[in-house]
Amino acid sequence: GESVGLHLPTLSVQEGDNSIINCAYSNSASDYFIWYKQESGKGPQFIIDIRSNMDKRQGQRVTVLLNKTVKHLSLQIAATQPGDSAVYFCAENRGGSYIPTFGRGTSLIVHP
Amino acid sequence: GAVVSQHPSRVICKSGTSVKIECRSLDFQATTMFWYRQFPKQSLMLMATSNEGSKATYEQGVEKDKFLINHASLTLSTLTVTSAHPEDSSFYICSAPPLGAGNTIYFGEGSWLTVV
Repeated sequence: GESVGLHLPTLSVQEGDNSIINCAYSNSASDYFIWYKQESGKGPQFIIDIRSNMDKRQGQRVTVLLNKTVKHLSLQIAATQPGDSAVYFCAENRGGSYIPTFGRGTSLIVHP
Repeated sequence: GAVVSQHPSRVICKSGTSVKIECRSLDFQATTMFWYRQFPKQSLMLMATSNEGSKATYEQGVEKDKFLINHASLTLSTLTVTSAHPEDSSFYICSAPPLGAGNTIYFGEGSWLTVV
């Protein structure tokens, strides 16, 4: 089932630091993973994705790492800025499905 | 990029009444749209998948008679919360995958429902 009903963990960082947000997924059949950013009162915004045949993918200031052995996903944000403050969700598409199932989410707070 | 629009963005209704939330894909067509519900400080929970021209598919535990979903065209899906109760107050978010776009999904800005 989905990880709902749990309050969000929080990561606090200083502006300019690198941030690492972690996510554990449960379904070994998941073949596509996405990181979303959600600002307060808004819908999720796509950040970066990765397929299960990859273990790393880089974007602008962001890197996603996938470890299928331990079913772990991470999002690294370089030189974090106050505008990066938001809730970050990992989502997985379970094998054969194109509907993202959302993980628990992490609240990132960036202090100037 | 592709835009998904939701309306209204905020709505307050009285207990016992019904309220309709619209989800429109503005520059692409979608045969399916997904409706999520999100409580404060929690994750998004998939409620149902609307299918253009056929019945919606509901997730386990979601009452289909309470949350009526209609996918009237390739650009519009509606969610109607019937006989609303205060516990239905939540943030409702729709999303849509453009036809032929693979795994790409675009999310709307969400609709805040408050039942008083």
